[in-house]
Amino acid sequence: DAGVIQSPRHEVTEMGQEVTLRCKPISGHDYLFWYRQTMMRGLELLIYFNNNVPIDDSGMPEDRFSAKMPNASFSTLKIQPSEPRDSAVYFCASSQPPMNTEAFFGQGTRLTVV
Amino acid sequence: AQSVTQPDIHITVSEGASLELRCNYSYGATPYLFWYVQSPGQGLQLLLKYFSGDTLVQGIKGFEAEFKRSQSSFNLRKPSVHWSDAAEYFCAVGRSNQGGKLIFGQGTELSVKP
Repeated sequence: DAGVIQSPRHEVTEMGQEVTLRCKPISGHDYLFWYRQTMMRGLELLIYFNNNVPIDDSGMPEDRFSAKMPNASFSTLKIQPSEPRDSAVYFCASSQPPMNTEAFFGQGTRLTVV
Repeated sequence: AQSVTQPDIHITVSEGASLELRCNYSYGATPYLFWYVQSPGQGLQLLLKYFSGDTLVQGIKGFEAEFKRSQSSFNLRKPSVHWSDAAEYFCAVGRSNQGGKLIFGQGTELSVKP
């Protein structure tokens, strides 16, 4: 398996623009997670899905953020409108409990909002 | 509140020297514990995990960690550090029925000097 695949790897956008980050989880994994990494807050969970259904979105910072998982092999995280403080590395991860509770992470998308 | 504390933000060790990275957690339920490593510009790679059983767990790249319930600790160790071990290390805690929903520590950056 190619692992968790995220695109794009880098994104630079202007404030106010819409940004869409994409993730393909490992085939067969039921859980999908979106994490954000910043210097100030470290790694924090934004939202996670189980069998394509959002389970906990309490980490989503504002209504400007939304996430979808239309099928088992694809998820998006959208920011509209984007702001400079959204600049961070966004990671997608997937897992297949209960035997493997560990999360497998993608390479991340580095987002810069100018 | 659930939390993970990594007291050392940055550690420098000489190549060939031993290493111990500290991790303390606060978690109401029986914790599942993890150590991840992140190289610059990369995603997170799992080094090792503890679910139950033997409190000394072995991981990849020669790392090991010991779970001490009485001290709420899960410290990472390596007997002899290599220059390629320079990276950032994250301790994380999760629960068995929540897939890869993890709470991360702030990370410890490891530098290795020749």
